[in-house]
Amino acid sequence: EDQVTQSPEALRLQEGESSSLNCSYTVSGLRGLFWYRQDPGKGPEFLFTLYSAGEEKEKERLKATLTKKESFLHITAPKPEDSATYLCAVQANTGFQKLVFGTGTRLLVSP
Amino acid sequence: DSGVTQTPKHLITATGQRVTLRCSPRSGDLSVYWYQQSLDQGLQFLIQYYNGEERAKGNILERFSAQQFPDLHSELNLSSLELGDSALYFCASSVGYRSGANVLTFGAGSRLTVL
Repeated sequence: EDQVTQSPEALRLQEGESSSLNCSYTVSGLRGLFWYRQDPGKGPEFLFTLYSAGEEKEKERLKATLTKKESFLHITAPKPEDSATYLCAVQANTGFQKLVFGTGTRLLVSP
Repeated sequence: DSGVTQTPKHLITATGQRVTLRCSPRSGDLSVYWYQQSLDQGLQFLIQYYNGEERAKGNILERFSAQQFPDLHSELNLSSLELGDSALYFCASSVGYRSGANVLTFGAGSRLTVL
């Protein structure tokens, strides 16, 4: 069964204090690994898709990386507006393209 | 605005009742997915439709059912509601089948409260 585990559950940072979020996964053939951002009471918002080990993608202060077992979301010099829950999900080669999500990391960035 | 429209935004009802949640996918998307998000759980996959046909089923209760209509909008029907069904219900859509990973675009969700 495809599984995604995210850590830490919650992370509190000071503005400008860089850190990383972890996503460990097991999947029967990876089609893609996804990162989403979710604000309270809203739907998840797509950030990145990673397809193969060694791949990296960047968007503003966020950088996502992928290995064969893990993905990291690096946050450089975060700002309060980066506060949100960050969700990791995998899409398997088999099946019909559903996403299997982790429970997320709640990030709070204080000014 | 993601392009995926969900109605209603909020719904309060009583145990034992039945409700219908509606989703209009993004223009051009053929696949619709339903997810449930409870306070203490992550996003749980319920069911997927592609161009009117059911394609995948997750942890969907027998009291729940869904369908996708010819105009591609989808409805999730929840019946004999229990307190534990209170949750956020999200609809997502994607283009459907093609090589490579398909990005799912999520709606804003329908918040169901069962009293």
